[in-house]
Amino acid sequence: DSGVTQTPKHLITATGQRVTLRCSPRSGDLSVYWYQQSLDQGLQFLIQYYNGEERAKGNILERFSAQQFPDLHSELNLSSLELGDSALYFCASSVDGFGYGYTFGSGTRLTVV
Amino acid sequence: ELKVEQNPLFLSMQEGKNYTIYCNYSTTSDRLYWYRQDPGKSLESLFVLLSNGAVKQEGRLMASLDTKARLSTLHITAAVHDLSATYFCAALLYSGGGADGLTFGKGTHLIIQP
Repeated sequence: DSGVTQTPKHLITATGQRVTLRCSPRSGDLSVYWYQQSLDQGLQFLIQYYNGEERAKGNILERFSAQQFPDLHSELNLSSLELGDSALYFCASSVDGFGYGYTFGSGTRLTVV
Repeated sequence: ELKVEQNPLFLSMQEGKNYTIYCNYSTTSDRLYWYRQDPGKSLESLFVLLSNGAVKQEGRLMASLDTKARLSTLHITAAVHDLSATYFCAALLYSGGGADGLTFGKGTHLIIQP
């Protein structure tokens, strides 16, 4: 157990729907990062939050959004889902904003049908 | 824009043999990571390399970093079947007072046959 908790582990939903993925960072970690892993695109960085504030953006679609709450857990919201959004979504956390102690969660597998 | 290239992308080798996976990155990177991923599983951190000439070893795996050549290598010594997995390298850049997200290579799918 890495200490980074992601829920749910699996999610199946229909096209056009909206889902929310949840991530709880390791105790003491202030940064949360979201990644998408698909066969087509490989592993891609989506977005990072540090202590509640958006810190960096990667290849995140406009249909996707995220936030980090005061208790430091984070949620990734995916809306108007398309078949191509089917992927493994990973959350990672680190102690600071410089990537120290980077640790990945076990991921959420999203299947859009 | 930081780009990371790994090669080979697929490697089938026999137990007991040695091999090296190469990771090239396009611009100066502040940290270089190696991860292992088993099918459908999470990313397991293997090594973090911080400076030029860094070498780290864990069991049959050894990673090195040459920042001048923008090259990292993951060397496998006397491979065993349990090392079969996909290996990723990833580079990290600092900007604006903090770290950006990791930029990953496409991964090397390693199969070790008895």
